[in-house]
Amino acid sequence: DTEVTQTPKHLVMGMTNKKSLKCEQHMGHRAMYWYKQKAKKPPELMFVYSYEKLSINESVPSRFSPECPNSSLLNLHLHALQPEDSALYLCASSRGAESNQPQHFGDGTRLSIL
Amino acid sequence: RKEVEQDPGPFNVPEGATVAFNCTYSNSASQSFFWYRQDCRKEPKLLMSVYSSGNEDGRFTAQLNRASQYISLLIRDSKLSDSATYLCVVRMERGNEKLTFGTGTRLTIIP
Repeated sequence: DTEVTQTPKHLVMGMTNKKSLKCEQHMGHRAMYWYKQKAKKPPELMFVYSYEKLSINESVPSRFSPECPNSSLLNLHLHALQPEDSALYLCASSRGAESNQPQHFGDGTRLSIL
Repeated sequence: RKEVEQDPGPFNVPEGATVAFNCTYSNSASQSFFWYRQDCRKEPKLLMSVYSSGNEDGRFTAQLNRASQYISLLIRDSKLSDSATYLCVVRMERGNEKLTFGTGTRLTIIP
């Protein structure tokens, strides 16, 4: 069982919908991440939050909006997505950038855009 | 040149055999190195960190060669459950949260 919990596991939405992906960890980690993964490709980094502040945005389109309400929670708000945004969205956490520790992944949200 | 490069495979290996993967990285100042495994339609799971002196965890051995800028993973006595994609992952800069992923090496263990 993963210690990073993501909900929902699956999401199907239309291009005009607004939805949110949620991620939670209780390991005391201070860095949290959103990744997008397409089939047969490695994960692509989208956003990094470090100590609840956005530290990296990998030029992600504004239709993806991250939010970190507290050190345990990370959300990804979705609006007006495109069919090419269909993918597995992975959340990860780590102790913090200064520790050089690995990241631990949640089991992902499989998103389909109709 | 890609920042982290792996042979995509597939590697089809009989059960019980030994298999080894290499991964090269472009930034000589890279700080941390990891092997993750990913099963089909699942999340990546940390297999092991790779330390400068090399390290072993059961049937798995990881090594780092800083001079030649590669890391390796050796799997001995392979099991059917070892079938997965193995991702080589590198942290390029100290204090930078970003990890760089290789494209993964697909391994299938054949009964």
